[in-house]
This record gives sequence, structure tokens and C-alpha cells, in this order.
Amino acid sequence: GENVEQHPSTLSVQEGDSAVIKCTYSDSASNYFPWYKQELGKGPQLIIDIRSNVGEKKDQRIAVTLNKTAKHFSLHITETQPEDSAVYFCAASIYTDKLIFGTGTRLQVFP
Amino acid sequence: DTAVSQTPKYLVTQMGNDKSIKCEQNLGHDTMYWYKQDSKKFLKIMFSYNNKELIINETVPNRFSPKSPDKAHLNLHINSLELGDSAVYFCASSQFREDDNEQFFGPGTRLTVL
Repeated sequence: GENVEQHPSTLSVQEGDSAVIKCTYSDSASNYFPWYKQELGKGPQLIIDIRSNVGEKKDQRIAVTLNKTAKHFSLHITETQPEDSAVYFCAASIYTDKLIFGTGTRLQVFP
Repeated sequence: DTAVSQTPKYLVTQMGNDKSIKCEQNLGHDTMYWYKQDSKKFLKIMFSYNNKELIINETVPNRFSPKSPDKAHLNLHINSLELGDSAVYFCASSQFREDDNEQFFGPGTRLTVL
């Protein structure tokens, strides 16, 4: 079955710096890759997603890149702000099948 | 105007008891899920229902029984609770479409078994 690895497990950056979180997946049939942000005491919230027919997607300060050949995808957050502090999860799925989540990255943005 | 809601938010109970968690979505989605998040924050799918039919059933003990009375509701009943069942349980919903399968999560139910 699908396995998703996520690195790093913790990431500390200064406000205004960029943050990059990387994930690799094992099943080449996976074609949907969402990223979720989970704040303390809340449920995961989708922040951006990418499908396998696209190599890159951007939404304001957030971007995701996908390398299907290498089976990895990354989340890039530019100009980080303290409110970006949260746990971020990557995930992978095949069409409408179950989401397999990475182990999460705790991002801390220091003012 | 909450999209996915769960009740209760907190549940503290003794080992051996039976408890239920309720989930409702008002997004008009046809698929609903239950996830378990353990103490290390690891999120794992437990069940998925599409149009009230079970489509995903991971290797979950049969003490866990989901029930979907209609497309907007998915409840989780847990029998004979064990210490290891302590976790945060999240409900989610989505459309069952290849090009529109974004999953929306509820706020979670923190279950503590004493």
C-alpha cells in the first residue's frame, strides 16, 4: 500500500523567512496530493493541493511542487508570519481512494 | 454555518464503557470519513461511507462500528472502550469525484479512556 514520508518533523524559522516541507510517496499510481494545516485544538484544514497532471501550483505565499518521476512533493511558504505556526501534513491518494497522511511537520515562526 | 460538526468535543469515560460520537456535514457531500489521530499526531483513516454505504474499512477492531443514517450523518459507536482507544477522532466529508475530492475535516472529538 501507499506510504508517505514527511520531513522535517520540526521546523523553526524567523518571521519573513521561507519554509520548505518535503514529502515522498511510494505508490506511483497516486495522483492527488493535498497539504493540510492543523492549528492547536482544531481539525486539519486544506491549504493547497496538486494533482499529478500539474508540476507546480501557487496560492499567494504558498506553493506546492510535484516531481512524479522522483515521487516527491514539497510545500513552500514564503514570507512566513507567526500565524503560520502550526502542524502541517502532506497526504497522497489515488483518485477518490483514502488519503494516506505523512507524519506531520511542526512549524514555528518566531517574530 | 459550520461545514462539518462533531459532538461531543471532549469525551472522558471509563474502560469497558460504550460511547458514541456524532458527525454531521452541511456541504452536500456524498462521502464521509472517520480518522483517528494518536498522541504523536499521526492521522489514519478508519472508515469511509459513500451514499450510506461502507467503502473503506481499515483494520479497525470490530468494537468500532460506524453508522450512516443518511448522507449528511456518520456516527461512530465504540464498544468496550480500552485505554488504547484514547485519541482524537476526526470526521471528514468530500465529494466522491476524481476531480473534486477535497476532504473537509470537523473540529475533532478528544476521547480519553481512564
